[in-house]
Amino acid sequence: EIVMTQFPATLSVSPGEGAILSCRASHSVSSNLAWYQQKPGQAPRLLIYGASTRATGIPARFSGSGSGTEFTLTISSLQSEDFAVYYCQQYNNWPPLTFGGGTKVEIK
Amino acid sequence: EVQLLESGGGLVQPGGSLRLSCAASGFTFSSYAMSWVRQAPGKGLEWVSTISGSTLSTYYADSVKGRFTISRDNSKNTLYLQMNSLRADDTAVYYCAKDMPWFGIWGQGTMVTVSS
Repeated sequence: EIVMTQFPATLSVSPGEGAILSCRASHSVSSNLAWYQQKPGQAPRLLIYGASTRATGIPARFSGSGSGTEFTLTISSLQSEDFAVYYCQQYNNWPPLTFGGGTKVEIK
Repeated sequence: EVQLLESGGGLVQPGGSLRLSCAASGFTFSSYAMSWVRQAPGKGLEWVSTISGSTLSTYYADSVKGRFTISRDNSKNTLYLQMNSLRADDTAVYYCAKDMPWFGIWGQGTMVTVSS
């Protein structure tokens, strides 16, 4: 099973600032990685797949990069609606499909 | 508009059973793999099971293998999860999700509570 580790667990950011979230895989997952955003009481929403391809309707301030075992999600200028929990998920080697533990982006 | 609507959650005693349903609309249901993903209270996301669109191949997490059964009725555009021998650690919000191997569309979720 591929273990996904996200860090930091919590990121405090002021509106308008940028944020960099990290995700590490225990073994290479090539570029087979997705990112999701989840707000309280809501279902997750797909942001990125293929490590760097934005899903339909996702603003350009969200960008993904990386391959192998190291990945980042960058939010270039945080808007109020971006404060949420973010999860990475690998799909290179499954079953099982595995998620990271999440990074909470909170208002500083 | 693509929509997924889960139902069937509730309170069940340990060892009991429950069947979840996910009604799909807005897309050709039989053409897409469908999955269940769960989230325990205050915790992260855990993939539970996936079923292919037409070949009906099924896949399970080790934590539910032998206890849960995923199925679908393409004539009714509905996905199911039969959950048997439920345990306290199965308590979670259960989401159905469209697309594989990433999850492009999610339902709103249904809560399953396993408690005596």
